[in-house]
Amino acid sequence: EAGVAQSPRYKIIEKRQSVAFWCNPISGHATLYWYQQILGQGPKLLIQFQNNGVVDDSQLPKDRFSAERLKGVDSTLKIQPAKLEDSAVYLCASSFLTGGWDNEQFFGPGTRLTVL
Amino acid sequence: AQSVAQPEDQVNVAEGNPLTVKCTYSVSGNPYLFWYVQYPNRGLQFLLKYITGDNLVKGSYGFEAEFNKSQTSFHLKKPSALVSDSALYFCAVRDDNNFNKFYFGSGTKLNVKP
Repeated sequence: EAGVAQSPRYKIIEKRQSVAFWCNPISGHATLYWYQQILGQGPKLLIQFQNNGVVDDSQLPKDRFSAERLKGVDSTLKIQPAKLEDSAVYLCASSFLTGGWDNEQFFGPGTRLTVL
Repeated sequence: AQSVAQPEDQVNVAEGNPLTVKCTYSVSGNPYLFWYVQYPNRGLQFLLKYITGDNLVKGSYGFEAEFNKSQTSFHLKKPSALVSDSALYFCAVRDDNNFNKFYFGSGTKLNVKP
């Protein structure tokens, strides 16, 4: 089975520029997550989708970050404008269900963003 | 709020020796606990989980974890470490009262030396 796909793998931009990341979850997975992983820290959830609806975006800096999952499959995360502190790895994950006991998350390889 | 703590930033062990990576948790309901591993430039990979049942959970690559309710711990263990086990390990707890949101620890870097 194909895993979670993310692109690009690496991105270098200057502060105040815009950037977008793309994620394609595992086929059939209803729940999609975007995490921010700053070097030396664990992943921090930015936003969680159930199909094409937002379940949790409480830690998404909405003044500069936006995400969408229009057709309930792939998703894009955008940062506009970027700040130096946005330098991190952005991880996408998906799971079959939001609820239920058998619900581990499957992660993509991540996009490493460097803001200069 | 749910949280996990990984008290060790780094664990060093010699190849062939047993390893333990520590994790303690704080939850308001039933604990649903997970271990993930992250290799350089890769995403997180699921190792094992505790949902209910036996306190000793077996997972991928020979890893196991022991759930201890009285000590609120979920330590990751392996009887004999391999150099290839060197990676970053994350403990996580799932909050079933909040749309199954995952909370990750800060990670422990495991170094296995030949």
